[in-house]
Amino acid sequence: SQKIEQNSEALNIQEGKTATLTCNYTNYSPAYLQWYRQDPGRGPVFLLLIRENEKEKRKERLKVTFDTTLKQSLFHITASQPADSATYLCAPAYSGGGADGLTFGKGTHLIIQP
Amino acid sequence: DTAVSQTPKYLVTQMGNDKSIKCEQNLGHDTMYWYKQDSKKFLKIMFSYNNKELIINETVPNRFSPKSPDKAHLNLHINSLELGDSAVYFCASSPGRGATEQFFGPGTRLTVL
Repeated sequence: SQKIEQNSEALNIQEGKTATLTCNYTNYSPAYLQWYRQDPGRGPVFLLLIRENEKEKRKERLKVTFDTTLKQSLFHITASQPADSATYLCAPAYSGGGADGLTFGKGTHLIIQP
Repeated sequence: DTAVSQTPKYLVTQMGNDKSIKCEQNLGHDTMYWYKQDSKKFLKIMFSYNNKELIINETVPNRFSPKSPDKAHLNLHINSLELGDSAVYFCASSPGRGATEQFFGPGTRLTVL
């Protein structure tokens, strides 16, 4: 069965350092992968989408990589700030047809310490 | 000018009751979804609607039924509520099918006693 693995234990990073979050998936051949941020008591907020033919995508301090051979995506936050503390969810998905709703990993709880 | 709104924010009810959660989006999107986030924080797709037609129906109990009066609304009706239905329910919308970002509502915390 399809499985998405994220480090659901809290990840503690010192302010100013780069935070790197991992998303591994098995029994999947996603055409693209999305990353979302979720704060306590709120709905997820879209951050980045990367397609299978893209190795890397950047948006301000955020960078996502997508390795379809390793079946892994890495999510980086450079110059991390306490305001970046949240749970980050990855969602590998297919393009068109079939499942339009997203299947999410459990998320990684990121804590940026001042 | 909230993009995706849900009501109510909190819902506390007794087992066996029937309840509804409303969702509205003002983004002009064609596709809307319902997700359930359980106590272990797993976020799972329940339904999606595209142009008022159900296009996904995940293996959820038939006590749950989505109803879309128009493209901007997707309500969730739940009959004969059970303890295991307690969770946070999120509505979401997207511009279309496939590789597009989704916009989530603030969630409705349902507690069944």
